[in-house]
Amino acid sequence: EVQVVESGGGLVKPGGSLRLSCAASGFIFSNAWMSWVRQAPGKGLEWVGRIKSTNEGGTTDYAAPVKGRFTVSRDDSKNTLYLQMNSLKTDDTAVYYCTTDLYLGGWYSRYWGQGTLVTVSS
Amino acid sequence: DIQMTQSPSSLSASVGDRVTITCRASQSIGSYLNWYQQKPGKAPKLLIYAASSLQSGVPSTFSGSGSGTDFTLTITSLQPEDFATYYCQQSYNTPRTFGQGTKVEIK
Repeated sequence: EVQVVESGGGLVKPGGSLRLSCAASGFIFSNAWMSWVRQAPGKGLEWVGRIKSTNEGGTTDYAAPVKGRFTVSRDDSKNTLYLQMNSLKTDDTAVYYCTTDLYLGGWYSRYWGQGTLVTVSS
Repeated sequence: DIQMTQSPSSLSASVGDRVTITCRASQSIGSYLNWYQQKPGKAPKLLIYAASSLQSGVPSTFSGSGSGTDFTLTITSLQPEDFATYYCQQSYNTPRTFGQGTKVEIK
């Protein structure tokens, strides 16, 4: 059974940093493209960023609001995805979801974690 | 970035109704369009990928259509468990933008 479980959320002050983790199981993590999606309280879904599989270069892409502040990385030896968040703003307050991306006629987020809440507040 | 616009933003419907949600892209995205369902306090769930392919395990009352810039999610007979918020997402390029969501409520 595929599982992705996020952790690391919490309360952080504006300008601070936080690192989220996503532990994956039930599939060959090293072959997977992975994404982060967030949802501010009472708002819609926002795609944050994506990392390709290591054997496809492990390259990353980001949404404009987080580019230069957030970094997606992976440790295939630990089957874990990370989201390093720096220079946090109050607008970054959201539930952050880790997703497993699959391709069949197009990319889609097939498996989602339960999410971890990040609150940026003084 | 490609903008995705859903309509309506919300709708009220009864069990058994046929419901149609529209998603429009700001440029042509071929068939690179996904639909997700989200219930309160839960993670989104994939319903439709590549515009019209039904994800395994999703009831056949759900269907997707369209290509280019205009897409539709149809629920042919609304069930109690279908009351939720629905999002479209383009996967033509990054950032993989979402529509703003359509909340389906009980009439």
